[in-house]
Amino acid sequence: DAKTTQPNSMESNEEEPVHLPCNHSTISGTDYIHWYRQLPSQGPEYVIHGLTSNVNNRMASLAIAEDRKSSTLILHRATLRDAAVYYCILRSQGAQKLVFGQGTRLTINP
Amino acid sequence: GAVVSQHPSWVICKSGTSVKIECRSLDFQATTMFWYRQFPKQSLMLMATSNEGSKATYEQGVEKDKFLINHASLTLSTLTVTSAHPEDSSFYICSAKTGQGQIYSNQPQHFGDGTRLSIL
Repeated sequence: DAKTTQPNSMESNEEEPVHLPCNHSTISGTDYIHWYRQLPSQGPEYVIHGLTSNVNNRMASLAIAEDRKSSTLILHRATLRDAAVYYCILRSQGAQKLVFGQGTRLTINP
Repeated sequence: GAVVSQHPSWVICKSGTSVKIECRSLDFQATTMFWYRQFPKQSLMLMATSNEGSKATYEQGVEKDKFLINHASLTLSTLTVTSAHPEDSSFYICSAKTGQGQIYSNQPQHFGDGTRLSIL
């Protein structure tokens, strides 16, 4: 699986937007970019995924660079409940498993 | 929709006993289930992948005789930690996805809330 690189931690304030970066310079053409998050003492939760185009859903937006070597997860208006570890994962089309890296621990200040 | 339920949520037992953890997909049929373990302050480590009705595929370094996985139905997989020892204490998490083949390959995985296992 191609590797992703994320900052270990980030901090933001409540009600402000948060941009979580992910680098994946060795991404291949069939790799989808997935984001999951894990709240304390819980299992991970699906956030969003995409291939080439930017994606939006009720939780977040995913902005994918034109060369696909990086992407950014955008939380438009952070709340305290968004404090979690966010994982950016590449998964090839047809692959079954998700391989988790270290993720970014997001802290939200009131 | 797409709820995965894990049971028990936590268990404490003596060294040498075997512990069974159940993972159920409540509102969908899970053709594939995954088992992960997570140590404090670390990321999730995939232990094995199981497809309904067939033997599990274990990741390198995971002892198949130690961690028995059964996926006998489309809604239930179990992980049994045999002869558990203190070093097996961890947070065990299951996940499930539906469908096989490329058409389903990018469906999200749905995770249970984990089982915290403590071996004394």
